[in-house]
Amino acid sequence: DSGVTQTPKHLITATGQRVTLRCSPRSGDLSVYWYQQSLDQGLQFLIQYYNGEERAKGNILERFSAQQFPDLHSELNLSSLELGDSALYFCASSVGTDTGELFFGEGSRLTVL
Amino acid sequence: AQSVTQLDSQVPVFEEAPVELRCNYSSSVSVYLFWYVQYPNQGLQLLLKYLSGSTLVKGINGFEAEFNKSQTSFHLRKPSVHISDTAEYFCAVSVVGGYNKLIFGAGTRLAVHP
Repeated sequence: DSGVTQTPKHLITATGQRVTLRCSPRSGDLSVYWYQQSLDQGLQFLIQYYNGEERAKGNILERFSAQQFPDLHSELNLSSLELGDSALYFCASSVGTDTGELFFGEGSRLTVL
Repeated sequence: AQSVTQLDSQVPVFEEAPVELRCNYSSSVSVYLFWYVQYPNQGLQLLLKYLSGSTLVKGINGFEAEFNKSQTSFHLRKPSVHISDTAEYFCAVSVVGGYNKLIFGAGTRLAVHP
């Protein structure tokens, strides 16, 4: 158990819909990261927050957005969903921003039908 | 930009045999290097990391890796594998001072057979 909690574990929805994925980082971790894992793209970095502020952005689509709240939990919002958005979405957390050791949750598997 | 190439998508090996999973990286700036493991239906777990110092780093579960700057490689090795080592292994880099933004390779599927 990494200490990172992601909900929901599985989600099935239809094209055009909007979903929210939630992440609670390990106690004491200030940084939260979101990654997308798919068969064709592999593990892609989406976005990082540190203590509520966006710190780094990766290949995140404009239809996707994220935020980190004062209690340090984070949400990833995916809208206007397409079939290609079906993937495993991981949240990870770390104490700081330069240690390299990220603690990953078990992921949220999104299926868009 | 940084990139990571894992040279083998799948590596089959018999139990108690040695194994090497190969990883090459490309970067014009200094990087940190990592190996993560993903067991079925689980998140990723850090195996080992190279930040600085000795180029041979030891990790959990008997794994080790050697950083070779001239060859831009960071190969993962284990002298004797177990069935329980069957998993997906990911090599990753992050730029020094780059806020832990990890760039992952495509992964190597290690299948250990009895």
